[in-house]
Amino acid sequence: EPEVTQTPSHQVTQMGQEVILRCVPISNHLYFYWYRQILGQKVEFLVSFYNNEISEKSEIFDDQFSVERPDGSNFTLKIRSTKLEDSAMYFCARAGTSTDTQYFGPGTRLTVL
Amino acid sequence: AQSVSQHNHHVILSEAASLELGCNYSYGGTVNLFWYVQYPGQHLQLLLKYFSGDPLVKGIKGFEAEFIKSKFSFNLRKPSVQWSDTAEYFCAGANYNTDKLIFGTGTRLQVFP
Repeated sequence: EPEVTQTPSHQVTQMGQEVILRCVPISNHLYFYWYRQILGQKVEFLVSFYNNEISEKSEIFDDQFSVERPDGSNFTLKIRSTKLEDSAMYFCARAGTSTDTQYFGPGTRLTVL
Repeated sequence: AQSVSQHNHHVILSEAASLELGCNYSYGGTVNLFWYVQYPGQHLQLLLKYFSGDPLVKGIKGFEAEFIKSKFSFNLRKPSVQWSDTAEYFCAGANYNTDKLIFGTGTRLQVFP
């Protein structure tokens, strides 16, 4: 199964700080996604990204969130001013097409203090 | 609204017991369905998927699932579980015209030798 790596594996930050979570898909897949899982809750879709544009985003993905693929490789999720409720596991996924299987990374555990 | 529900939150079995994990979805139109597994400390991995065709889908590690349209169900089965099947199992769905995965809450499976 093709790999997706995510960095860092664990990020601790103070409330109000900016964080950038990184995803490095090891393939030439073009469709990228961010999901999150708050402890004890279900995995939730945040955003899908194709051709350097957001394809779809959830109501969770407000103005505090942004995504980009600045160097054509890393796919990043930025949270501008973190809140306590942003504490969660963030998963990156990628796929070859919009209807293809999504392959997930190991996740980044974000802890906001 | 689109949703996926898993009714078994925690299942405990002995090795060699048979397994069935429930998954129900509420979607209008054509739906793609998935089962993902998350072994302790690892990332989400695809077990199997249903897009169309034969409603009985076979996946990796001896797992299978049956798509029953009349019951809006996609239950996961395995005739004889092993200790190594201990993991969290997630059912997910996506409408045919979107790649946004909607996950169920997950079922934690513990298998004792």
